[in-house]
Amino acid sequence: DADVTQTPRNRITKTGKRIMLECSQTKGHDRMYWYRQDPGLGLRLIYYSFDVKDINKGEISDGYSVSRQAQAKFSLSLESAIPNQTALYFCATSEVAGEQYFGPGTRLTVT
Amino acid sequence: AQKVTQAQTEISVVEKEDVTLDCVYETRDTTYYLFWYKQPPSGELVFLIRRNSFDEQNEISGRYSWNFQKSTSSFNFTITASQVVDSAVYFCALSPPGSARQLTFGSGTQLTVLP
Repeated sequence: DADVTQTPRNRITKTGKRIMLECSQTKGHDRMYWYRQDPGLGLRLIYYSFDVKDINKGEISDGYSVSRQAQAKFSLSLESAIPNQTALYFCATSEVAGEQYFGPGTRLTVT
Repeated sequence: AQKVTQAQTEISVVEKEDVTLDCVYETRDTTYYLFWYKQPPSGELVFLIRRNSFDEQNEISGRYSWNFQKSTSSFNFTITASQVVDSAVYFCALSPPGSARQLTFGSGTQLTVLP
């Protein structure tokens, strides 16, 4: 089984809808991250969490919110989706002093 | 502010050729970490290497090698005797010291290895 899982893997939604992307990990890491990937822009950090009670905004947090329900779960929400939030979303985890391990990604399309 | 530049948007080589992917970074930190990740066509991100800024020794792992030059703020990646399976997007990334660990990614280089 994969160490970092994301659900759903693909989602098409309409403008204005609320949507939640979920991430779970079995690596036992305290740190979790959400990134979005756009063509030609690499990955950009949306939010990150050092533990259940510590959540921080990243480079592009506007229009997004997160919830760290447990050490193993970190959810990303789009309160009112808009077309320019169409992207590939990645969740990642890491130990305090380690590299980040990424989930398989969620491809989100907002029409 | 941190920045990672991968000036090569796309590279195409023929199988068995050597290829070098360039990465130049900017940071005001005196210590930092550098990374390379691979994103094959299937879409997942695969960790390849982490390098501490204290350690300027080059590293070789099989057909992969990395050349870290602190004086020129570069961390280049060479694939020797490329194979079709090396076709992927390769990302260079930078993270600050201490406990922060947020990654700043370059825009990636699409490598295509032709048979």
